[in-house]
Amino acid sequence: GAGVSQSPRYKVAKRGQDVALRCDPISGHVSLFWYQQALGQGPEFLTYFQNEAQLDKSGLPSDRFFAERPEGSVSTLKIQRTQQEDSAVYLCASSLEPRQYFGPGTRLLVL
Amino acid sequence: AQSVTQLDSQVPVFEEAPVELRCNYSSSVSVYLFWYVQYPNQGLQLLLKYLSGSTLVKGINGFEAEFNKSQTSFHLRKPSVHISDTAEYFCAVSGLGGSQGNLIFGKGTKLSVKP
Repeated sequence: GAGVSQSPRYKVAKRGQDVALRCDPISGHVSLFWYQQALGQGPEFLTYFQNEAQLDKSGLPSDRFFAERPEGSVSTLKIQRTQQEDSAVYLCASSLEPRQYFGPGTRLLVL
Repeated sequence: AQSVTQLDSQVPVFEEAPVELRCNYSSSVSVYLFWYVQYPNQGLQLLLKYLSGSTLVKGINGFEAEFNKSQTSFHLRKPSVHISDTAEYFCAVSGLGGSQGNLIFGKGTKLSVKP
């Protein structure tokens, strides 16, 4: 079956531009996580959904970051007014607990 | 709060040699433990996990890890590495599911296998 997919795979944005990153989880997976992986670092937790409910957003680095999952399946991570420090790979994972299945990530470069 | 320390940022090794990648964690609650592998420009692939039971866990590609509660360690081992094992390896912990299920990762260990 299909795994977790993310789009776009690569995104170049000018500083100040808004971006939207999409995650298509594995069908039927209730839990969905977003992580940010800076260059040379391990992934860091951003936010967690159970179905459409965002139960934990403690990892979002600023109020410029917003995530949603309105119908409990596809999720979108939005970054407003991008800054250079937002450059990273954004990973999405869906979960059949306790195992998480990761997508290939979206590599965001903010110039 | 939980944390993970991977003691080696880079490990060079020759093909067919054994390798150990070290991981220590800290947590005030029970945790699950994981090792993931990341090949260049790809997502994370689960190698193995420890949930409960036997402390020696076998994973894919010939890797195994041993959970040591007293030393709070979960070191990854392979008796004989291949060139294709060259990748970055991440140790991670999580709470026991639900809103505690997010993964806390170490900074990674780059394994470089030389011919």
